[in-house]
Amino acid sequence: ETGVTQSPTHLIKTRGQQVTLRCSSQSGHNTVSWYQQALGQGPQFIFQYYREEENGRGNFPPRFSGLQFPNYSSELNVNALELDDSALYLCASSPYTSGSNEQFFGPGTRLTVL
Amino acid sequence: AQSVTQLDSQVPVFEEAPVELRCNYSSSVSVYLFWYVQYPNQGLQLLLKYLSGSTLVKGINGFEAEFNKSQTSFHLRKPSVHISDTAEYFCAVSDPYGGSQGNLIFGKGTKLSVKP
Repeated sequence: ETGVTQSPTHLIKTRGQQVTLRCSSQSGHNTVSWYQQALGQGPQFIFQYYREEENGRGNFPPRFSGLQFPNYSSELNVNALELDDSALYLCASSPYTSGSNEQFFGPGTRLTVL
Repeated sequence: AQSVTQLDSQVPVFEEAPVELRCNYSSSVSVYLFWYVQYPNQGLQLLLKYLSGSTLVKGINGFEAEFNKSQTSFHLRKPSVHISDTAEYFCAVSDPYGGSQGNLIFGKGTKLSVKP
């Protein structure tokens, strides 16, 4: 069984640029959530996708957007990057019908904004 | 809104000693509770979870946690730690009836440092 994978592992961008991060969910999981983990902090919920639609969103501005594809993989897009966007971005998948909200995390993408 | 407080940002302990990492959450309504571990430069791995039933939950790597509804706590314990337990530990809560489809709300983490 393949776990959650994310690409790229590291990324360096400059302020104002745009970035796309990718996530492949664990086999059999149809729900993907994205989290931002700033240095020294716990992960913060960005949004969740289910059946290719946004299914809940945390306190992040609209320049954070996403997609989910028919194979349940997902993308996180961030426009107009700011220095404070530097963080580890974690993707997590779950079987929506589980009812337990248990989420399985990928290794993350570390984004550095200069 | 739910919140999670991890009372200790860092916990140093000697190898083979017992350890307790403390976690309190804000709401007394029914919640699901989780402990995750994060090793350096890695993602999060689930240690254990409380959904319902017995208040003492056993997880992987010898960890266990006790759910205390009256104190809104979910402290993590291990009777004897190893060097390999050195990592950051996160307590998380989700609201099974939450409008945001049960997203996880994390504490700020506790760094466990096990010394020989």
